[in-house]
Amino acid sequence: DIVMTQSPDSLAVSLGERATINCKSSQSVLYSSNNKNYLTWYQQKPGQPPKVLIYWASTRESGVPDRFSGSGSGTDFTLTISSLQAEDVAVYYCQQYYSTPITFGQGTRLEIK
Amino acid sequence: EVQLLESGGGLVQPGGSLRLSCAASGFTFSTYVMTWVRQAPGKGLEWVSAISSSGGSTYYADSVKGRFTISRDNSKNTLYLQMVSLTAEDTAVYYCAKDGVYFHTEPHYFDYWGQGTLVTVSS
Repeated sequence: DIVMTQSPDSLAVSLGERATINCKSSQSVLYSSNNKNYLTWYQQKPGQPPKVLIYWASTRESGVPDRFSGSGSGTDFTLTISSLQAEDVAVYYCQQYYSTPITFGQGTRLEIK
Repeated sequence: EVQLLESGGGLVQPGGSLRLSCAASGFTFSTYVMTWVRQAPGKGLEWVSAISSSGGSTYYADSVKGRFTISRDNSKNTLYLQMVSLTAEDTAVYYCAKDGVYFHTEPHYFDYWGQGTLVTVSS
């Protein structure tokens, strides 16, 4: 199984500042045949289901604000929120879909400083 | 508008059984892989099972293999999860989710999620 490890576990950032969440996979999730990274990011607010933000590691889902961006390749990935807004308080998860079983990171709790 | 509505959760005793359903609407159900993901209270997300668009291929987490069975009825736009031999470790909110990739056989990322149904295993 591919183990997904996020860092940090929690993060406090001031409004308007940059927030960076990292995700590391235990093996590469880059599929060589199509050069795509099988990695996605979700945002989950209390009492709500997860919402997809980014897929294929860097493709922003329709309707997601452009302050959210994803980067990385192979085993190391980053979710960046360029200017934190109050509504971004949530838990963020990475997930690999390179192989089954599908696996998620443990989550990163983002709060306002 | 895509909608996924789970039902069938509730309180069940250890060793008991339960069948979850997920009624889908707003998209061509028969052309997408569907998945169940669960979340124990206060914990992270755990993938449970997935099924190909035709139902011909199924996938399971090791933690539920042999106890849970995923199925779908494309004529009714409904996804199911039959759960037997339940233990306290199965207590969670169970979400059904639609795959983000059209007409594939394996799960990818999930672009729509239901609100979830709570399964509580306790005596």
